Amino acid sequence: DVKVTQSSRYLVKRTGEKVFLECVQDMDHENMFWYRQDPGLGLRLIYFSYDVKMKEKGDIPEGYSVSREKKERFSLILESASTNQTSMYLCASSSGGEKLFFGSGTQLSVL
Amino acid sequence: GQQVMQIPQYQHVQEGEDFTTYCNSSTTLSNIQWYKQRPGGHPVFLIQLVKSGEVKKQKRLTFQFGEAKKNSSLHITATQTTDVGTYFCATPGGSNYKLTFGKGTLLTVNP
Repeated sequence: DVKVTQSSRYLVKRTGEKVFLECVQDMDHENMFWYRQDPGLGLRLIYFSYDVKMKEKGDIPEGYSVSREKKERFSLILESASTNQTSMYLCASSSGGEKLFFGSGTQLSVL
Repeated sequence: GQQVMQIPQYQHVQEGEDFTTYCNSSTTLSNIQWYKQRPGGHPVFLIQLVKSGEVKKQKRLTFQFGEAKKNSSLHITATQTTDVGTYFCATPGGSNYKLTFGKGTLLTVNP
């Protein structure tokens, strides 16, 4: 089974902190994604990567950056966390245009 | 990017009743995927529809793709408490591997 692992299930940070969310997949997938999920807003794409060191902005990239130095790892970075970035963050991976496999999510609270 | 409208936002049914959620687009979709997210869980892929007019079944779940490939539906016959969760449709937007999700339909089932 494909496994997508997110480093933390819950995270509490302070406003202005730099935050790293890590995601690792074990199926050699080319594509990796970061979504955030908020009540009533569904899943919104922040960034995605289709190859090592390649990235593209999603629908809501402001306030975020990403890093993909190795194929299996995709990191989401909040340069200076703000309270409106409190959310559930979901990482996913896929091969080609096939289905997404999601991690268990990281519930981030910014105080 | 590609946008899909999903309705209803919420649906509460008695166990044994049927349930349907709809996904609509103003433009032709190349394909559509459906995901289920249990409460506290992450989205899990259910199915992908590609062909115009396609109908696929998984036990009590029936998935349809419209003739014009602008809409899709998920129908559950005789709901059970295990069907509780949020159902999302998703479609490629901009590039083949970037999925845009509908806002989801939250289904609750009264036993």
